[in-house]
Amino acid sequence: EAGVAQSPRYKIIEKRQSVAFWCNPISGHATLYWYQQILGQGPKLLIQFQNNGVVDDSQLPKDRFSAERLKGVDSTLKIQPAKLEDSAVYLCASSFRETQYFGPGTRLLVL
Amino acid sequence: GNSVTQMEGPVTLSEEAFLTINCTYTATGYPSLFWYVQYPGEGLQLLLKATKADDKGSNKGFEATYRKETTSFHLEKGSVQVSDSAVYFCALTTQGGSEKLVFGKGTKLTVNP
Repeated sequence: EAGVAQSPRYKIIEKRQSVAFWCNPISGHATLYWYQQILGQGPKLLIQFQNNGVVDDSQLPKDRFSAERLKGVDSTLKIQPAKLEDSAVYLCASSFRETQYFGPGTRLLVL
Repeated sequence: GNSVTQMEGPVTLSEEAFLTINCTYTATGYPSLFWYVQYPGEGLQLLLKATKADDKGSNKGFEATYRKETTSFHLEKGSVQVSDSAVYFCALTTQGGSEKLVFGKGTKLTVNP
């Protein structure tokens, strides 16, 4: 069974630029999550989707971050404009029976 | 609010040593508890879980017991290997909510031959 796919794996941008990350969850998983993992910390949930509806986006900085999950499958997370403090690994996960399965992450460096 | 506290790392052990990584939690309701592992350059993988008090999760020689009375879920392994070198995260979800994972800060383990 294929795992959660993410791209790109690495991205370097300058502050105030925009960037987008893509996630393809495990087939059949209705719930999809985006987490932000800052160096030395545990992942923090940014947004959770159930099919193509948002369940929880309470920790998403909505002035600069946006996410969508069209057709309830793939998802994109966008940052516009990026700040230095957005440098982190962005993890996508999908879940089945309370267990979340994580992709390899996208490592973002904002200069 | 819900939170997880892990012992500070890094932890360095010799091969075949005994491992304990402490984890305590604060949660409303009845959380499910998890240990995730992150090997160098890879994504998070579920190591084990427990969904109710006194349950013991186990996998790959690792064990953790859900202790409601001490709000703990300590990770143990009797004999570590070099291949166990990774970052270990304790986490919880609360039932009836969004099922989001709340993670501890992680503990980096290095096992030397």
